[in-house]
Amino acid sequence: QVHLVQSGAGVWRPGASVNVSCKASGYSFTDHAMHWLRQAPGQGLEWMGWINGGNGHTIYSQTFQDRVTITRDTASNTVYLLLSGLRSEDTGVYFCARGRSRPLSVANNWFDPWGQGTLVTVSS
Amino acid sequence: EVVMTQSPVTLSVSPGERATLSCRASQSVRNNLAWYQQKPGQAPRLLIYAASTRASGVPTRFSGRGSGTEFTLTITSLQSEDFAVYYCQQYNFWPPYTFGQGTKLDIQ
Repeated sequence: QVHLVQSGAGVWRPGASVNVSCKASGYSFTDHAMHWLRQAPGQGLEWMGWINGGNGHTIYSQTFQDRVTITRDTASNTVYLLLSGLRSEDTGVYFCARGRSRPLSVANNWFDPWGQGTLVTVSS
Repeated sequence: EVVMTQSPVTLSVSPGERATLSCRASQSVRNNLAWYQQKPGQAPRLLIYAASTRASGVPTRFSGRGSGTEFTLTITSLQSEDFAVYYCQQYNFWPPYTFGQGTKLDIQ
């Protein structure tokens, strides 16, 4: 069974950086992309970026390009989201989600499953 | 960027009835469209991919149709657990992957 387990919630000061982890199990980690998405309070879903589980290549949304870094550790099947220069508008729930496609590819993905989400609160 | 527009924003339906949710893309995304269900405090759950293929474990009362720019998600014989927010997502053009703003399905 595929599982994605994320790190816990917390409060960060404006200007700080947050590192959220997502540990994957139950599938071949290097065969899939992992995506990060954000949901602001009461709002919809926003795609942030993607990492190729096989070669570590990343692509980021232009919205976050200057502040986001996604990395992976194939030894522990864990993906990390680093978001820097936090501001109050970054408050929200951050989700990791495995990319799926038919045939299997890291491109043209839908998302399944999702991690449980990590609430990041930015407040002074 | 492909803009996805869902309608209505809120849909009130009685249990046992049928609900039809719509999603429109600003340009053709072929059949590269997925639907998700999200309940309060939970992560989204995949329902449909490739516009009409149900994900594993999804009840047959959920069905998707459409291609190009117009898509629908239909839920027949609504159950209490179906009342949630539903999102469509296109994966034909990326980056970025884009979602509709969501339709909240309410109990009437």
